Amino acid sequence: ETGVTQTPRHLVMGMTNKKSLKCEQHLGHNAMYWYKQSAKKPLELMFVYNFKEQTENNSVPSRFSPECPNSSHLFLHLHTLQPEDSALYLCASSHTTAPEAFFGQGTRLTVV
Amino acid sequence: KQEVTQIPAALSVPEGENLVLNCSFTDSAIYNLQWFRQDPGKGLTSLLLIQSSQREQTSGRLNASLDKSSGRSTLYIAASQPGDSATYLCAAQPGEYGNKLVFGAGTILRVKS
Repeated sequence: ETGVTQTPRHLVMGMTNKKSLKCEQHLGHNAMYWYKQSAKKPLELMFVYNFKEQTENNSVPSRFSPECPNSSHLFLHLHTLQPEDSALYLCASSHTTAPEAFFGQGTRLTVV
Repeated sequence: KQEVTQIPAALSVPEGENLVLNCSFTDSAIYNLQWFRQDPGKGLTSLLLIQSSQREQTSGRLNASLDKSSGRSTLYIAASQPGDSATYLCAAQPGEYGNKLVFGAGTILRVKS
């Protein structure tokens, strides 16, 4: 148990579907992140939220839409994805005054 | 732009061997460096974090060092065990605020029994 919980763990969706990934942290952190891990590539930062405000969008296509309703919850809304978006999506959290980041178990997304 | 490189990409060793994993980064102005372990299809488990003012950190059989001036960090694993088999990732935090991380591609470690 890492304190960061992601659901679902696995997701298969068609290119015309709309789905959402959920992340919840129980660590009292005030920063949350979405990372993408594709096969054979390093983890890529997608979005950063600090105190519920988006502070970074790493040139992510608009078919990925993040939402952070409070410091404990983070969502990634997906629509009209492409097969190349298939990857492991990882959520992380940290405290802005403490450097260590904690990750969830990830959602394995397959776009068919 | 910060770039992180890990060498070797893969490593296979017999049980009991001591080993060193290498990580290099292009911009020495990092705030901290964190080592993670990732098991197949799983998330990341934090192993060690070295802040910019520190030179090394130790946890059990693991020791990580940081040399900012040369842009290098090493993860030393003593007396390796089959349970250590995993992918090891290093990540540099380029700035003080926000804690976003720049990752290397990882080293895939296999410890044979």
